[in-house]
Amino acid sequence: NAGVTQTPKFRILKIGQSMTLQCAQDMNHNYMYWYRQDPGMGLKLIYYSVGAGITDKGEVPNGYNVSRSTTEDFPLRLELAAPSQTSVYFCASSDRTAASYGYTFGSGTRLTVV
Amino acid sequence: KNQVEQSPQSLIILEGKNCTLQCNYTVSPFSNLRWYKQDTGRGPVSLTIMTFSENTKSNGRYTATLDADTKQSSLHITASQLSDSASYICVVSGSGGGADGLTFGKGTHLIIQP
Repeated sequence: NAGVTQTPKFRILKIGQSMTLQCAQDMNHNYMYWYRQDPGMGLKLIYYSVGAGITDKGEVPNGYNVSRSTTEDFPLRLELAAPSQTSVYFCASSDRTAASYGYTFGSGTRLTVV
Repeated sequence: KNQVEQSPQSLIILEGKNCTLQCNYTVSPFSNLRWYKQDTGRGPVSLTIMTFSENTKSNGRYTATLDADTKQSSLHITASQLSDSASYICVVSGSGGGADGLTFGKGTHLIIQP
């Protein structure tokens, strides 16, 4: 039972480069989320999805894009990397809304933009 | 504005000792409160969930309390072990939270010394 799998675990990007953070879950959860965690700060919601084909912005969506073509996968795209996007990114999924049922988190992707 | 404040920011105790972490919140209306444990380099893992009507809930050596009147929660760790070294995050859910209905605390960083 893999749960939520994130790849890569670490990545260094140069300013202006692009990359996709991968997230896959094998629990058939409808709800999926992307968060960023900055040092000493609480998790901030970037984007979320309530099912395949449906995505919506969270608290800090600028500079990111997402897609949800399948129930299992929820990739996060950074188009023009900026130093402000240096952070740890967590993907999470839940059976229903996280507010009621809580999350299963992935182990995170540590991204550094230089 | 919904807020979740945790204290202390960091804590160092000796192995075998007890400790208590605090969480104060202003989320309204309140739905539930969760404590998560986040090991270094890992995603958060849920320890307990407490609803409005619950005052105390235990999970092994972890005991969470909730006072919905004063909007305070605590997490008590008994007979600490080296493996308890982690960040502990308080997360409050309610309709006034973000798009995911959640407001995250910044966490308490706990270090257990041998």
